[in-house]
Amino acid sequence: ETGVTQTPRHLVMGMTNKKSLKCEQHLGHNAMYWYKQSAKKPLELMFVYSLEERVENNSVPSRFSPECPNSSHLFLHLHTLQPEDSALYLCASSQDGGGGRGTQYFGPGTRLTVL
Amino acid sequence: AQKITQTQPGMFVQEKEAVTLDCTYDTSDPSYGLFWYKQPSSGEMIFLIYQGSYDQQNATEGRYSLNFQKARKSANLVISASQLGDSAMYFCAMREGQDNDMRFGAGTRLTVKP
Repeated sequence: ETGVTQTPRHLVMGMTNKKSLKCEQHLGHNAMYWYKQSAKKPLELMFVYSLEERVENNSVPSRFSPECPNSSHLFLHLHTLQPEDSALYLCASSQDGGGGRGTQYFGPGTRLTVL
Repeated sequence: AQKITQTQPGMFVQEKEAVTLDCTYDTSDPSYGLFWYKQPSSGEMIFLIYQGSYDQQNATEGRYSLNFQKARKSANLVISASQLGDSAMYFCAMREGQDNDMRFGAGTRLTVKP
């Protein structure tokens, strides 16, 4: 595997379900991100982990819970979601610090539908 | 306030022609980076090109070049010799200083006509 991978690619869940999205990066980066992309809205940053510590949470509802067990893996745990949470969830990684340009490389995304 | 503005919701270009996608940005930080990404219908965001605020030359990557006009705060993407596979959404993004937050524009949908 190369780059950034995400599983599953598609997910349909009911509002009472609990599911998790997984992201893995094979680039040796030290920062990982979760973004939400809804129809007709700009990409929204949800969470940032740098060196496995969460450094940013843009007021995301608590029904979204991130987990970063190591620098290569990132999870997004979902529970009691709402239909308006249906979107494309994108994971990204970058090499941060040291004045680098920090280009973010994205995975293919998980298309989530909440019924 | 909108940090990144892409004023063209959709653009059409004839195959083999060049096309310019507009992007303007707003920042008071002297150190920033500008990025362009391509998003095909499959959903993956593909990094295309980067321009640093202190770079003297316009960035180029193959058929992609960035027309960086710092005083006007614009960072337009130029795609030369368009191909059918270039049809996609294109996003301009900016990262300020050492911020983790990368701000994205609303995107431009490019359609290449045969």
